[in-house]
Amino acid sequence: DSGVTQTPKHLITATGQRVTLRCSPRSGDLSVYWYQQSLDQGLQFLIQYYNGEERAKGNILERFSAQQFPDLHSELNLSSLELGDSALYFCASSATLAGGQDTQYFGPGTRLTVL
Amino acid sequence: QQQVKQSPQSLIVQKGGISIINCAYENTAFDYFPWYQQFPGKGPALLIAIRPDVSEKKEGRFTISFNKSAKQFSLHIMDSQPGDSATYFCAANAGGGNKLTFGTGTQLKVEL
Repeated sequence: DSGVTQTPKHLITATGQRVTLRCSPRSGDLSVYWYQQSLDQGLQFLIQYYNGEERAKGNILERFSAQQFPDLHSELNLSSLELGDSALYFCASSATLAGGQDTQYFGPGTRLTVL
Repeated sequence: QQQVKQSPQSLIVQKGGISIINCAYENTAFDYFPWYQQFPGKGPALLIAIRPDVSEKKEGRFTISFNKSAKQFSLHIMDSQPGDSATYFCAANAGGGNKLTFGTGTQLKVEL
């Protein structure tokens, strides 16, 4: 158990809808990262927050947004969903800002299916 | 744009054999190379990592070999066990920045 929790575990929705994925980082970790894992693209970095502030952006679509709250949990909002958004979404956390060379602890993921 | 190329896509090894997974990169700014292990239904977990100032790092049955001039690194799993069956991802980071760039993953199956 990594100490990172994600809810829900599974999400099935329709095209055009909006969903929110939730992540609680490990106790004490200030950085939260979101990744998308699909069969054809592998693990793609989406965005990082550190102590409430956005710190790095990767291949995140404009239809997607995220935030980190004062209690350090984070939410990833996906809107105007398309079939191609179906994927596993992982949250990871690390202790420091520059998490690229820290151990990143991954949650169990949320499997999103868009029908 | 795939900055870290990983091969093979899948691998079947007999119990007790050596599993070898290879990765190659183009970005010479990369200076940290971790390997992550992912079991079905779980998130990836850090397995072992190396920096380019050494050519090899060993932790138990897992060894990373690093060739800076060829811009390649590989994971060797000695005495492979059925419990090692998982998907393995190589990754790279540049300059301590925030972003990890992952390879596409290798699905390893260790057969009895």
